[in-house]
Amino acid sequence: AQKVTQAQTEISVVEKEDVTLDCVYETRDTTYYLFWYKQPPSGELVFLIRRNSFDEQNEISGRYSWNFQKSTSSFNFTITASQVVDSAVYFCALPSDNYGQNFVFGPGTRLSVLP
Amino acid sequence: NAGVTQTPKFQVLKTGQSMTLQCAQDMNHNSMYWYRQDPGMGLRLIYYSASEGTTDKGEVPNGYNVSRLNKREFSLRLESAAPSQTSVYFCASSELVYEQYFGPGTRLTVT
Repeated sequence: AQKVTQAQTEISVVEKEDVTLDCVYETRDTTYYLFWYKQPPSGELVFLIRRNSFDEQNEISGRYSWNFQKSTSSFNFTITASQVVDSAVYFCALPSDNYGQNFVFGPGTRLSVLP
Repeated sequence: NAGVTQTPKFQVLKTGQSMTLQCAQDMNHNSMYWYRQDPGMGLRLIYYSASEGTTDKGEVPNGYNVSRLNKREFSLRLESAAPSQTSVYFCASSELVYEQYFGPGTRLTVT
């Protein structure tokens, strides 16, 4: 069965520190997609990135970067020079079928960035 | 574009009461979803609809029913609410394996 583990329940950092959020997944599929979502204190869920299992290149978007390693079934998310606005709960997610209809979300990591 | 809208935003029910949560999207997506979010549990899929006229169970379907009324609308019904159904409910829509767009959520309390 598909499974997503985010072992870090809560992380606190001071502004401008770098922080990495871990995501480990289990899947029976040979090709699959992985996602990260952000849930700020206001409560809405915001899409951050989608990664295809074919593509193991790291992705960088501004202060955000993602490291996908198929060999260790990990898709980790790093925020460089964190800011208070990065404070949120971050979820890693994995579709449990090839059509992407049945999603499995990890339990989330709550990140607090202190000024 | 409103994206995904949900009504109501808040609801308090007594045990045994019924209610329907409404969801609509204006992005012409084929797929729609209902999730519940409980502290420390992430989001758990209740039901999803891959296209108009089809619905399938997710991880936690017991106690819920859904209706895909048309391509835009996907409702979630609680026939006899229980305190264990106290949660925040999110509706989402997407196109195949692309990103899901979420509604603002409904905070439901069952006493």
